[in-house]
Formats: sequence, structure tokens, C-alpha cells
Amino acid sequence: GAGVSQSPSNKVTEKGKDVELRCDPISGHTALYWYRQSLGQGLEFLIYFQGNSAPDKSGLPSDRFSAERTGGSVSTLTIQRTQQEDSAVYLCASSSGLAGGAGEQFFGPGTRLTVL
Amino acid sequence: DAKTTQPPSMDCAEGRAANLPCNHSTISGNEYVYWYRQIHSQGPQYIIHGLKNNETNEMASLIITEDRKSSTLILPHATLRDTAVYYCIVRVRRMEYGNKLVFGAGTILRVKS
Repeated sequence: GAGVSQSPSNKVTEKGKDVELRCDPISGHTALYWYRQSLGQGLEFLIYFQGNSAPDKSGLPSDRFSAERTGGSVSTLTIQRTQQEDSAVYLCASSSGLAGGAGEQFFGPGTRLTVL
Repeated sequence: DAKTTQPPSMDCAEGRAANLPCNHSTISGNEYVYWYRQIHSQGPQYIIHGLKNNETNEMASLIITEDRKSSTLILPHATLRDTAVYYCIVRVRRMEYGNKLVFGAGTILRVKS
């Protein structure tokens, strides 16, 4: 595709329910990142994928958060037993990883999660 | 990654140059300066990056001081659509696969007509 896409664009859920957020990176990009941005807060790194493996999961806030990536492409971020403090915009980014490349990350539009 | 310091906000008149400063006094020799911006309700957008030489692309210019302890992002002719939060990020550039971005508070640039 032309850019990083994310779905859904908005998700409203009840406290305690599980949610899945999807990211489609730019075709051919080997690196994929998840970030989140809470209301009025800065962007916070969550997890980084290189291919299908996640060498850096240091930003996941709790064991309720998990992510996977299959086929080196699509990634899913899962939040179990959602809490109100999970409400945020979840952003996905991808990077080409090409030697000599700038290493810039291309961000999707985000998924706005609201936990009632 | 080196810490950066940016002013919380700046105003700029439409059509004038916007000069956004960033201090990174603890930058190390292998760390690059990256600039991203985030327009309201959108994901961040890469603008430019540099190591020690000044850089220019279609969006902006990046001026890095000789000692590399500070830099300035220049938008030569700011438009209303340039109103955004601008983030200065310093990090090692990996030739393969990139690295996570650590965002600070950034500078809110308001372009006014």
C-alpha cells in the first residue's frame, strides 16, 4: 500500500474486555513499531518487531499487552482486560531497514481506543 | 540516547521562516539529529535528519552547530498547515532496521495569518 494503515480508526470498549488493534506496514518494510499517545501526553514506545520477532518489548506497560507479527507484515496489538488508563491513540510505524537508508519511520493514522 | 531540550511553544507569521531550536549538549559522536512533526490528530511525520553537516530537503533545512550541541530546524516559508508539534530526537542511526524513537514534549509551532 501507499502508507501504513491501521484498523479500526476508533474503538470504544468496556472495561475488562479484550481488544485487538491491527497494523499493515508499508510493503517490504522489515521493521515495525507500536507507540501510544495518551491524552495530553507524549508518544510512548511499546514494542519493536524485526521481521516476525520482537527484540525489544521494553515499552509494554503490563502483561495485559501483547503483540504479534505474522509473515513479516501485518501486526496485531492485543490488550486483555482493558482498563480506563489504556485509553489512548495507538500508533504503528514501519521502517525499511535498507542499508544506507535514513532509518526514518513512517507512521499510520493511529487507532483511538476509549475504555469506558 | 542523548536528551534534547526544546522550547515548549513558538509563534510564526505565515510566509516567514520558522526557526525551531534544539539543544542536545550530551550528544555523542555516533548520534544523529532527527526531526519529526505531528499535526493535530495525525501520526508523526519524518522531516529531516543529519549528523554534522547542514542538510536540506523539500520540507526543511537542518543547521547543526560545529560542536553538535545544538541544532535548528528551518521551515523557510511557513504556512498555516505547518502548525504542529515538532520533535527533535537524537539517536544512533542503525544501518539496518532502525531503532525506537524516544519522543520528548516537542515544540508547538503556531503559524498565524
